[in-house]
Amino acid sequence: QVQLVESGGGVVQPGRSLRLSCTASGFSFRSHAMHWVRQAPGKGLEWVAVISYDGSNTYYADSVRGRFTLSRDNSKNTLYLQMNRLRPEDTAVFYCARDVDVASGWLDYWGQGTLVTVSS
Amino acid sequence: EIVMTQSPATLSVSPGERATLSCRASQSVGSKLAWYQQKPGQAPRLLIYGASTRATGIPARFSGSGSGTDFTLTVSSLQSEDFAVYYCQQYNKWPPLTFGQGTKVEI
Repeated sequence: QVQLVESGGGVVQPGRSLRLSCTASGFSFRSHAMHWVRQAPGKGLEWVAVISYDGSNTYYADSVRGRFTLSRDNSKNTLYLQMNRLRPEDTAVFYCARDVDVASGWLDYWGQGTLVTVSS
Repeated sequence: EIVMTQSPATLSVSPGERATLSCRASQSVGSKLAWYQQKPGQAPRLLIYGASTRATGIPARFSGSGSGTDFTLTVSSLQSEDFAVYYCQQYNKWPPLTFGQGTKVEI
């Protein structure tokens, strides 16, 4: 069965960095685009970024562009989100989610999420 | 960016009743509209894609309709497990993918 497991969340001070990981299993990871979606406490869903199936293309929300970098290692079935210059408004649960295929834009499987708290 | 607006923010319904949730896009998204369900402390779950196609394993009491800018998610007879927050999301013109702000269905 498809599984996505996020890790790497925690408490970090403003301006510092954090790297999230998402390990996939149960499907052909290299055949799917992958997304990160976040949810601030008590708020709705906000799309963060997407990476193409082969890692050659990435796109970011305006709110994180220039600070976050998305990458993947298809040999390890793992997705990475490097988050730099973190701000308090980045506090959220971060979900990795599978695109249904190479880049349709609807998300058929989600991980359980990892909480990032940016606070001094 | 396409703005998605859901209404109402909260819907109070009794078990067994029908629930009708609305989602409006700021410009046409064709049929490229998905619905997700999120229960407290859980990840979102895909319910509907292509505006009206149920995802694998989704009960038939969930149905989606609409095209262009106006969409509806209907739950024909609410079960206790259906009380949750529901989000619509467009994927016609992206990035960015955009979500509505959610409708909470409560007892």
